[in-house]
Amino acid sequence: NAGVTQTPKFRILKIGQSMTLQCAQDMNHNYMYWYRQDPGMGLKLIYYSVGAGITDKGEVPNGYNVSRSTTEDFPLRLELAAPSQTSVYFCASSYSPRGSYGYTFGSGTRLTVV
Amino acid sequence: KNEVEQSPQNLTAQEGEFITINCSYSVGISALHWLQQHPGGGIVSLFMLSSGKKKHGRLIATINIQEKHSSLHITASHPRDSAVYICAVSRLGGGSEKLVFGKGTKLTVNP
Repeated sequence: NAGVTQTPKFRILKIGQSMTLQCAQDMNHNYMYWYRQDPGMGLKLIYYSVGAGITDKGEVPNGYNVSRSTTEDFPLRLELAAPSQTSVYFCASSYSPRGSYGYTFGSGTRLTVV
Repeated sequence: KNEVEQSPQNLTAQEGEFITINCSYSVGISALHWLQQHPGGGIVSLFMLSSGKKKHGRLIATINIQEKHSSLHITASHPRDSAVYICAVSRLGGGSEKLVFGKGTKLTVNP
């Protein structure tokens, strides 16, 4: 199984540009998450989804949008990129809401906004 | 104050040493997770605990719900154990999907 696939791995954006970070899982997990990881800080939840068609905000949703049209895919959209969005982004999925069987993470996207 | 605190922040050990990493939390939880972040950045789940103790190979995780504290132990440490170890909790009640993370403990094991 591929697990959770994130693309791209690296990206440099100019201020004001937009982009979509792709995330796909092949484990039929209902629960999917987007986190950002800033240096010296714990991961912060941006958005999450409990199933196709259902998404909700996490701790730091401003400047981001998500959609969940299928169980497999959970893209994260950055509109009008700002330097504060420079970070490493991780997509993750789980079988249950509290991760009883663990979480599967993508390999991350390192984004720099200049 | 962060809801999840880890100690130490950094830990350097010699190969073969017994390692302990601590996690304290201040909220009611339904589960606690230990994760490992490799030097290349990848993150993997190690344990999910709601009570007691779990063991996998040389890794042992314990939790004391009353004291709101968990420990991750590594026996006979090896350089390949060098990584950042992250504690995260699922809050009790609504919103258990929303993990709250500690800042991580960076472990370096020297040969």
